[in-house]
This record gives sequence, C-alpha cells and structure tokens, in this order.
Amino acid sequence: AQTVTQSQPEMSVQEAETVTLSCTYDTSESDYYLFWYKQPPSRQMILVIRQEAYKQQNATENRFSVNFQKAAKSFSLKISDSQLGDAAMYFCAYRFSGGSNYKLTFGKGTLLTVNP
Amino acid sequence: DTGVSQNPRHKITKRGQNVTFRCDPISEHNRLYWYRQTLGQGPEFLTYFQNEAQLEKSRLLSDRFSAERPKGSFSTLEIQRTEQGDSAMYLCASSLVLGQETQYFGPGTRLLVL
Repeated sequence: AQTVTQSQPEMSVQEAETVTLSCTYDTSESDYYLFWYKQPPSRQMILVIRQEAYKQQNATENRFSVNFQKAAKSFSLKISDSQLGDAAMYFCAYRFSGGSNYKLTFGKGTLLTVNP
Repeated sequence: DTGVSQNPRHKITKRGQNVTFRCDPISEHNRLYWYRQTLGQGPEFLTYFQNEAQLEKSRLLSDRFSAERPKGSFSTLEIQRTEQGDSAMYLCASSLVLGQETQYFGPGTRLLVL
C-alpha cells in the first residue's frame, strides 16, 4: 500500500522569507502523480501544485515550486516570498496513475504559520 | 463554475441517530469522491462514483455507511446508528475524467457525535 509521510507537524516562516515543507512517500509503482494541497482554516482544500512522476523537470506555480527526487521518493514544497495568506495546513498527496480509481493518499499535514 | 458544495456544514447528533450529508459536485464532473478527515490526520478515501455507479469502497466504510449518487449528479452519504468514532470532517471532491483529473474539494461537513 502507498503511504505518504510529512515529518514536520508545524512550520513557521517570516513574511517575505522562504520555507520548505518536506514529504516522503512509499510506492512500488513507477507511474504516479504527487500533489500539494492547501487547507486554510475553515476553508476548503485547494490544489497548490502537481507533479507527474515521469517528468524530470520540477513543477513550479508562481511562488510555489517542488523538489521531486524520484529515487529518494521525496517531494518537498518550497514557498518563496511567503505571504500572510499562505498560512494554512499543507497536505502532500499521492495518486497512482493506473487503474480507474484515482483516489488520493494524503500525509498528515504540516501547519504553516506566517509571521508578519 | 460554482465549485463543490456540501450541506450541512456542521452536524451535531446523538449516538445512535442516523445522519445524511449531501454533496453537489461541479456540474458535468462525472467523478465524485468521499473522504473522511479526523483531527490531526489527512483525508482518507471512503468511496467514489463514476456517474451514478459506485465503483469502490474503502474498508473504512462499514456497513453502517451508505452512499448514493442518483442520476450521476449530487451524492448523499448516510451514516446509520452513529458512534462517537464517526466524529470527523467528511469531504467531497469531484473531477472530470479527461485531462489532468484534478480533484476539487468541497468545504466539508463536520460531524460531532455526542
């Protein structure tokens, strides 16, 4: 079974600084997707960034980028120029790209605090 | 595109009562997923539908739980004879079986069983 581990229950960063959230996963599959989702307090979860395992190039979305190390099964999220609105719970998630059930397997999350 | 909506947003019930939650996916999304999120944990998959067909159920979904998606539109999740261990956030997500299949989540229904 696939597992996703986020070893940092909480992180904090100063506004305008950079922070990196860690994620490792375990799978025997070679073709899959990885995601970072953001869940602000009392608001719905939204997709921050996704990475296809077959792509060597790391995904980027504006201030958000990932460091995908397939051999190490590591998928970290870097947030540059942190803003107060980035404060949220961040979940790393895995999805096998085969089969028909595209269910997501989530880590336990990292609570990010942004200090002004 | 009005997003995924869920009702009610909060539900408090007494142990042994039945509860039903509703999820309205993004229109034309043919896949709908239910997840459960307990305190301090990430969401865990419960079940999913493609159109009106329920295609997979997690072992987490005991026989007290039932989900439907009549006509492939909205979905309901019913919990019979609720237990305190059912207290959690119930999340719904929908996606389109084309392209990247990004799952869009609703705001969730928070259930508290007393």
